[in-house]
Amino acid sequence: QKEVEQDPGPLSVPEGAIVSLNCTYSNSAFQYFMWYRQYSRKGPELLMYTYSSGNKEDGRFTAQVDKSSKYISLFIRDSQPSDSATYLCAFSSSPNTGNQFYFGTGTSLTVIP
Amino acid sequence: NAGVMQNPRHLVRRRGQEARLRCSPMKGHSHVYWYRQLPEEGLKFMVYLQKENIIDESGMPKERFSAEFPKEGPSILRIQQVVRGDSAAYFCASFTSGRAPVLQETQYFGPGTRLLVL
Repeated sequence: QKEVEQDPGPLSVPEGAIVSLNCTYSNSAFQYFMWYRQYSRKGPELLMYTYSSGNKEDGRFTAQVDKSSKYISLFIRDSQPSDSATYLCAFSSSPNTGNQFYFGTGTSLTVIP
Repeated sequence: NAGVMQNPRHLVRRRGQEARLRCSPMKGHSHVYWYRQLPEEGLKFMVYLQKENIIDESGMPKERFSAEFPKEGPSILRIQQVVRGDSAAYFCASFTSGRAPVLQETQYFGPGTRLLVL
């Protein structure tokens, strides 16, 4: 079983739609859950992170963690064309001690004006 | 991505040549990760370095690949005798140690080096 599973998409939605992106994981030691956004030909940029479980909201973005199901989600409300990018989930047991980050393969999102 | 520099941005090599990829971390960052990204495969951890020290190289192939992060200068990922399968985007990420909730401040990715082996 892979440590991280993420549907690669592609996902295409109209502007203003609510987008739901998801990842599952298998390692119970993961405590840090992150979402990165990667525009074409660019490096990933950290969008949101959550420690342990629960929800976190930042503007139009909401990150949810369900540790019991080993499932994380990123919701984008009122999606904009500028949200078109690849979204990567990432996991770590303890990033500040230098442990590895494990990344999903990324979901490609296109928001159509 | 502000602050983490990678060069070259694009690198073309013929089979058998050497590739050297450089990463200058953000000012004040003393930790560097290297990742490889292949289409459809996501980011794969290769090596984690602190200055003058390799902390974890478990993701790096045993042969042809090496990495260093000297006291002065950039971190370098070296690939000897490149093969077509080495064609990929190579990213470095730098960070400084800290504790949550400052995680958001601690890791930045560079723009990547796209290596093409002919």
